[in-house]
Amino acid sequence: GENVEQHPSTLSVQEGDSAVIKCTYSDSASNYFPWYKQELGKRPQLIIDIRSNVGEKKDQRIAVTLNKTAKHFSLHITETQPEDSAVYFCAASSGGGNKLTFGTGTQLKVEL
Amino acid sequence: NAGVTQTPKFQVLKTGQSMTLQCAQDMNHEYMSWYRQDPGMGLRLIHYSVGAGITDQGEVPNGYNVSRSTTEDFPLRLLSAAPSQTSVYFCASSYSKGIRYEQYFGPGTRLTVT
Repeated sequence: GENVEQHPSTLSVQEGDSAVIKCTYSDSASNYFPWYKQELGKRPQLIIDIRSNVGEKKDQRIAVTLNKTAKHFSLHITETQPEDSAVYFCAASSGGGNKLTFGTGTQLKVEL
Repeated sequence: NAGVTQTPKFQVLKTGQSMTLQCAQDMNHEYMSWYRQDPGMGLRLIHYSVGAGITDQGEVPNGYNVSRSTTEDFPLRLLSAAPSQTSVYFCASSYSKGIRYEQYFGPGTRLTVT
């Protein structure tokens, strides 16, 4: 089955700096890669996703890049703000709409 | 729309007891899933369903049963609770838009097995 590795497990940045979280996947058939944000005690919420036929996608301060050859994808957050502090999860799917395999999460802390 | 709802929010069980975690969605989504979340391990898929009457196992199905008699409901049954099942359980529903599947999560059920 699919295996998703996520790094780093914790990330601390100064407000206004950029943050990058990286994930690798094992199943070359995976074609959908969402990123979820989870605040403490809350449910995960989708923040951005990318399909396998796209190399990069941007939504305001958030961007995701995908390298299918290397089987890795990354989340980039620019101009970080304190409200970006949360746990971020990457995931991969090989086509089953609800068969997501998640990474182990990155605790992002944005310091003032 | 209420979205995805889960009950109960918290539950404490003794080893060997059984119980059902309830999940319902009012978005007419075809897909529903159950995940468990443990510290440092992300979310792991327990069981999923692609439509009423159709269920399948995920990554960690042992000790859990599901059924899907309607589009709206997808209950998760713990047959004989064990301390290893102490976790936060999330139900999710999704629909397909091409190969894009946005999963909507419920608020979670925090389960402790003593």
